[in-house]
Amino acid sequence: ETGVTQSPTHLIKTRGQQVTLRCSSQSGHNTVSWYQQALGQGPQFIFQYYREEENGRGNFPPRFSGLQFPNYSSELNVNALELDDSALYLCASSSRVSSYNEQFFGPGTRLTVL
Amino acid sequence: AQSVTQLDSHVSVSEGTPVLLRCNYSSSYSPSLFWYVQHPNKGLQLLLKYTSAATLVKGINGFEAEFKKSETSFHLTKPSAHMSDAAEYFCVVSAPLDEAAGNKLTFGGGTRVLVKP
Repeated sequence: ETGVTQSPTHLIKTRGQQVTLRCSSQSGHNTVSWYQQALGQGPQFIFQYYREEENGRGNFPPRFSGLQFPNYSSELNVNALELDDSALYLCASSSRVSSYNEQFFGPGTRLTVL
Repeated sequence: AQSVTQLDSHVSVSEGTPVLLRCNYSSSYSPSLFWYVQHPNKGLQLLLKYTSAATLVKGINGFEAEFKKSETSFHLTKPSAHMSDAAEYFCVVSAPLDEAAGNKLTFGGGTRVLVKP
């Protein structure tokens, strides 16, 4: 069974640029969630995708957007990068079949905005 | 709405002594609660979960947690700490999304555990 993978591992961008982060979900999982973890804090929910549609969203502006593909992999796009976007971005996959919707996390992508 | 408060940002223990990480939660729903661990430069790993079955939950690596509804607490314990337990620990509540089926996780601020030899 392949776990959740994310790419790239690290990324450095400058203010105003755009970035795309990628996630492959665990085998058999059809739901992907994205979280932002700022330094020294707990992860915060950005949004969730199910059947290629955004299924719910946290308190993040529209310049944070995403996609889910038919194979359940996902992308997180951030436009007009700001310094505060520097964080570890975590992807988690889960299965709707599970009654408690346990989420399995990837290793994350560390984004630095200069 | 749901929230999680981890009462200690840092905990320092000696190897072989007990570990206690405290967590209080608030949830509008009957909660599903989790503890995750994050080692440096690694992803989050699930330690254990409470989903309205037994109130005492056993997890991996000797950890366990007790759900106390009257105290809205879900404290994590381990009888004897190992050096490998040094990591960041997160208490998490799961709640349904407003818009549709599915759930989102709300994390506490984390507790960093230091284990002294």
